[in-house]
Amino acid sequence: EAGVVQSPRYKIIEKKQPVAFWCNPISGHNTLYWYLQNLGQGPELLIRYENEEAVDDSQLPKDRFSAERLKGVDSTLKIQPAELGDSAVYLCACSKGTEAQETQYFGPGTRLLVL
Amino acid sequence: ELKVEQNPLFLSMQEGKNYTIYCNYSTTSDRLYWYRQDPGKSLESLFVLLSNGAVKQEGRLMASLDTKARLSTLHITAAVHDLSATYFCAVPSGNTGKLIFGQGTTLQVKP
Repeated sequence: EAGVVQSPRYKIIEKKQPVAFWCNPISGHNTLYWYLQNLGQGPELLIRYENEEAVDDSQLPKDRFSAERLKGVDSTLKIQPAELGDSAVYLCACSKGTEAQETQYFGPGTRLLVL
Repeated sequence: ELKVEQNPLFLSMQEGKNYTIYCNYSTTSDRLYWYRQDPGKSLESLFVLLSNGAVKQEGRLMASLDTKARLSTLHITAAVHDLSATYFCAVPSGNTGKLIFGQGTTLQVKP
């Protein structure tokens, strides 16, 4: 089966510009996660969706970040406006169900550089 | 608040040697995950440990979980260059599915 698809893979923007990332999870995987990974650190959860519902967005900086998963499949994560500190890798992951023991499968990530 | 700590954070070793990476976590959990990440790549699931005393092995890697000690180990046997990567452990936070990751251990295996 195809893995998690993310685009773009790389993005360079100037600060204060908007940027959007797209994720297509593995078919049939109902739970979708967006993680932020800073250099030399482990991923940190930004938001978790069960189908189209955001069930945990407590770590999402809502003043500039937004996310949607309108039909419970693809998802987009947006930053507006971007700041220098947003430079990081944004990882999308998915799991089949909603149980805590479900293995999460990660996409290749979008590497963002804000200048 | 759940905290996950790995040590060492960086490990340089010769091919053929054995070593162990440790993962400690601060609150009760009966499951733990190990992932591998190559430079510029995403995370690849290595092991899912689902109960106290669980042990899993794949090739030269063996992972174990002691839920009472809140400790998992990833043991490397007779390391080879292909094992060079960063290894993360991760623990679910409650029943939410949210994973808390350790800082990662970067393994460098020298010929």
